[in-house]
Amino acid sequence: GAGVSQSPSNKVTEKGKDVELRCDPISGHTALYWYRQRLGQGLEFLIYFQGNSAPDKSGLPSDRFSAERTGESVSTLTIQRTQQEDSAVYLCASSPGQPGVVFGPGTRLTVL
Amino acid sequence: GQNIDQPTEMTATEGAIVQINCTYQTSGFNGLFWYQQHAGEAPTFLSYNVLDGLEEKGRFSSFLSRSKGYSYLLLKELQMKDSASYLCATRWGGNKLTFGTGTQLKVEL
Repeated sequence: GAGVSQSPSNKVTEKGKDVELRCDPISGHTALYWYRQRLGQGLEFLIYFQGNSAPDKSGLPSDRFSAERTGESVSTLTIQRTQQEDSAVYLCASSPGQPGVVFGPGTRLTVL
Repeated sequence: GQNIDQPTEMTATEGAIVQINCTYQTSGFNGLFWYQQHAGEAPTFLSYNVLDGLEEKGRFSSFLSRSKGYSYLLLKELQMKDSASYLCATRWGGNKLTFGTGTQLKVEL
């Protein structure tokens, strides 16, 4: 596609429910990132995929968070048993391996 | 990780010049980015520095000193639309990007 797309754009869920966020990177981009941005805060690194290498999961805040990516295509970020502290904008970005990471529009998650 | 420090807020006057500084840990450094983020929007790419020196792109310039672990973003002829958060990010460990918390710039009349 022309850009990075994410779905849903907004998600409201109840505490304790599981949510799945989707990211469609730019075609041909080998690297894919997930970041979390709480209101008024900076970008918090969550996970990084590079081609078929093992992902760098060092930023995942707890075992309730997981992410998958098949090859160089779509990625899903799953949050189990959501908590109110998980409320944030979740940003996906992709890169062809060269400078210039491109961000998607984000998914705004609200946990009630 | 990379400890990235940048000021939290800055205020400047329309038409003026503002410099936003960023310092970072040099270990494993492999490039520095500046991104602009307007409220409620995703960050957009502004500049990339991997070698020492100044990179100029229109009203925006970015400087890097690798030995000092220091960069700045220079915005000239400020416009009201430049009011935004400016994020410094470093690439390290291959292609991993770590962002600072951002500098909120307010441009006033």
